[in-house]
Amino acid sequence: KQEVTQIPAALSVPEGENLVLNCSFTDSAIYNLQWFRQDPGKGLTSLLLIQSSQREQTSGRLNASLDKSSGRSTLYIAASQPGDSATYLCAVPYQGGSEKLVFGKGTKLTVNP
Amino acid sequence: ETGVTQSPTHLIKTRGQQVTLRCSSQSGHNTVSWYQQALGQGPQFIFQYYREEENGRGNFPPRFSGLQFPNYSSELNVNALELDDSALYLCASSLLTSGGFTGELFFGEGSRLTVL
Repeated sequence: KQEVTQIPAALSVPEGENLVLNCSFTDSAIYNLQWFRQDPGKGLTSLLLIQSSQREQTSGRLNASLDKSSGRSTLYIAASQPGDSATYLCAVPYQGGSEKLVFGKGTKLTVNP
Repeated sequence: ETGVTQSPTHLIKTRGQQVTLRCSSQSGHNTVSWYQQALGQGPQFIFQYYREEENGRGNFPPRFSGLQFPNYSSELNVNALELDDSALYLCASSLLTSGGFTGELFFGEGSRLTVL
């Protein structure tokens, strides 16, 4: 059974700091991993999708890496801004390439001005 | 914006009642998935619809049911509501082709259900 864990559960940083969010999963036989952002009471916004053949993906100040063999992914946020404050969720497919996702509980990020 | 729309945005029901939530998928997408997100938790997969049929189900009882229509929009129905059904219900659309799923989901803003 696939399980996803995110550490830390919450993180508070001053504006401008670089930070790393961690995600681990128990079954390494995945086709991809997706990072999402969720603002309070809102839906999920897809940030980055990493295919299993890739080691990392970048979008602006965001960089996500994937190490299937160790069952880990990291989301790196450079030069954090107050607008980055949100909950960040990672998700992997239930089985292999299935798009039915298993989510972690998320990391709640607060960036203080 | 993702193009996935959900209604209603908020609703309040009492125990034992029934509720229907609606979702319009993103243009060009043919698959709809539903997720339940309790407060402080990650979303949990309820079920998925493809070609108007259920295509996979998570660990939810039969009182959670759904429909997909020819235009790929979908409904989630919950009967005999319980207090623990209070949650944000999220709809996500994706595209299944002959080569498989594109791998990316696009979510709506959700329907917040409160059961009293």
